[in-house]
Amino acid sequence: DTGVSQDPRHKITKRGQNVTFRCDPISEHNRLYWYRQTLGQGPEFLTYFQNEAQLEKSRLLSDRFSAERPKGSFSTLEIQRTEQGDSAMYLCASSSRTGGSGANVLTFGAGSRLTVL
Amino acid sequence: DQQVKQNSPSLSVQEGRISILNCDYTNSMFDYFLWYKKYPAEGPTFLISISSIKDKNEDGRFTVFLNKSAKHLSLHIVPSQPGDSAVYFCAGVTSGTYKYIFGTGTRLKVLA
Repeated sequence: DTGVSQDPRHKITKRGQNVTFRCDPISEHNRLYWYRQTLGQGPEFLTYFQNEAQLEKSRLLSDRFSAERPKGSFSTLEIQRTEQGDSAMYLCASSSRTGGSGANVLTFGAGSRLTVL
Repeated sequence: DQQVKQNSPSLSVQEGRISILNCDYTNSMFDYFLWYKKYPAEGPTFLISISSIKDKNEDGRFTVFLNKSAKHLSLHIVPSQPGDSAVYFCAGVTSGTYKYIFGTGTRLKVLA
């Protein structure tokens, strides 16, 4: 297993264009997360999937953002009508269900860096 | 509302000495804490975790201490090595919510 894969690693786009990022989680992981990280900040939660169901969305996820996880495998994050404020690193993470108490450990991908000109 | 705070943006330590990274949280519902390390151009990688029922967890050179009454945790690295130079993030989560809240990070530089 090669871990969590994200594509593309870097995207430069003009304001107003649409962009889509893809995340391939670790194959046996049923939980998938999207985070956003800007300079000098920690990762900020965007959304969470359990299998194909999107169970939680952050208020940071405006109506220009949409995430999907068809068939509970890979996930896409689309940003429509990009704005300069969308420039950030978009991180995908996955985890598996654990028995008993305790939270899951997130395994992150290398991220997709978005630059909006 | 910054629920997890790392008040030291950077820290420099001599190789072989102890590195102590601190983290404070405000959400008393957090019952699990994790530390991640991040190198440039890579995603964060998991380092060590601690449940709120414990006050210490150790893994090799890394030890995490949790003081629930003070809502404070710290990561100790002994001995520090140049390869430990990275940004360290702490995160808190409430079991069942799956919303991990990260601090702003501390950049550690270990000097050879």
